[in-house]
Amino acid sequence: DTAVSQTPKYLVTQMGNDKSIKCEQNLGHDTMYWYKQDSKKFLKIMFSYNNKELIINETVPNRFSPKSPDKAHLNLHINSLELGDSAVYFCASSQREGAGANVLTFGAGSRLTVL
Amino acid sequence: AQSVTQLGSHVSVSEGALVLLRCNYSSSVPPYLFWYVQYPNQGLQLLLKYTTGATLVKGINGFEAEFKKSETSFHLTKPSAHMSDAAEYFCAVSDLLTDYKLSFGAGTTVTVRA
Repeated sequence: DTAVSQTPKYLVTQMGNDKSIKCEQNLGHDTMYWYKQDSKKFLKIMFSYNNKELIINETVPNRFSPKSPDKAHLNLHINSLELGDSAVYFCASSQREGAGANVLTFGAGSRLTVL
Repeated sequence: AQSVTQLGSHVSVSEGALVLLRCNYSSSVPPYLFWYVQYPNQGLQLLLKYTTGATLVKGINGFEAEFKKSETSFHLTKPSAHMSDAAEYFCAVSDLLTDYKLSFGAGTTVTVRA
C-alpha cells in the first residue's frame, strides 16, 4: 500500500495546455503539501492544506491552483503551461506532531515536461 | 526567516570511508532540523530529525547528525559508506514561527566509489 500516491508519474505536454496532477494519502494525516523540484534539484514549497484549508500559498503564478476535496486528497491544476513549469512536483503529507516538528512523507513525484 | 545552507553540492567518497555532509541553518527561534534522502527517481524519505533533547540524533541506515547551537550546524555523518548510500541528501529546517513550512537546502549529491 503506497502511503502517498501521485498520478501521473510522467506527464509530457505542449505549451499552453492545462493539466492536473492528483495526490492521495492513506496515512490519515491532516496536512498535505505540493513541492516543486527544479532541474538543479532545489525543492520549493508551493502550497499546503490543513484539513482542507489553505495554510501556505507561496509566491506561485496564479496559473497554479490547488484543490483539496477532503483531507486525504490534494490535487494541483496548472493552466496555460509554460516551458518553465517543467519540473518534478512532489506531494507530501504530515500529521502535526507539535509546532514545527512535522515529518513529511513524500510521494514518488510527478515529472512534468512542457514542450 | 529560516534558511539552510548545505556546503558542497557534490561529495564523493570511497566505499567504507566516512561520509560527512555539512548543513548550517539560520533561525530566529529554536529550530527543528531534518535530513532527508532522495534515491534516483524516488521521493524524499526521512533519515533523522532533531526537535529537542539529545543533540546527537541517530537515524536509519547508520546515519547520525549532531545539533550544535553554537555553530548553527547539523552535520550528517556515517562512519562507513556503502554503495547503496549514493543519493541526494537534503537538510531542512522549520521552527515555531513557520509552523507548517519546511525549508530545504539545495541538496548534496553523494557518489560512492568502489
